[in-house]
Amino acid sequence: ILNVEQSPQSLHVQEGDSTNFTCSFPSSNFYALHWYRWETAKSPEALFVMTLNGDEKKKGRISATLNTKEGYSYLYIKGSQPEDSATYLCAFKKTSYDKVIFGPGTSLSVIP
Amino acid sequence: EAQVTQNPRYLITVTGKKLTVTCSQNMNHEYMSWYRQDPGLGLRQIYYSMNVEVTDKGDVPEGYKVSRKEKRNFPLILESPSPNQTSLYFCASSFTWGNRAATNEKLFFGSGTQLSVL
Repeated sequence: ILNVEQSPQSLHVQEGDSTNFTCSFPSSNFYALHWYRWETAKSPEALFVMTLNGDEKKKGRISATLNTKEGYSYLYIKGSQPEDSATYLCAFKKTSYDKVIFGPGTSLSVIP
Repeated sequence: EAQVTQNPRYLITVTGKKLTVTCSQNMNHEYMSWYRQDPGLGLRQIYYSMNVEVTDKGDVPEGYKVSRKEKRNFPLILESPSPNQTSLYFCASSFTWGNRAATNEKLFFGSGTQLSVL
């Protein structure tokens, strides 16, 4: 069984703070790592799909890095805003022919 | 508009009454999958399909059936629903394999189906 882990489980930050959280995945046989943002009462939406060791992706104030050799990815949010409050999911794919395996998510609450 | 359409959005039923939740995508995606979301447990995969007529069990397949007779549709069937299947269900789809880049393989999710089994 492949395990994808995320930490912390939940996070409360003040508006304007920068924050980051971690996704850990098996470091052998890597194909892709996804990040999704999941707001309450909505469906998950893709933020990034990362495939290469050392990849860095950025979308506005959100960025992500990838280390496939050690099996982790970081998601960073700069200057958190209340609208960033959501659960952030990472998902791992071992090969192109495999299913997508989700981590348990990090729940972020940004306090105004 | 590219989308994954799930129906119904809400469903209340009774134990043992067969039901089907439909999922359809208009993006020509090969990969389709069903998940359930329960408080504190995140997204758990029920079944997935890599292409037409190819389906595989996910982490929690018991009590569910699926079929993939056409590329666009991936219905979830509960032959005899039980109260422990009360949950929020999501269908998702993506491109996979072939000559597309992995970065194109992000999942698109339906709007969810809230199922209550009494």
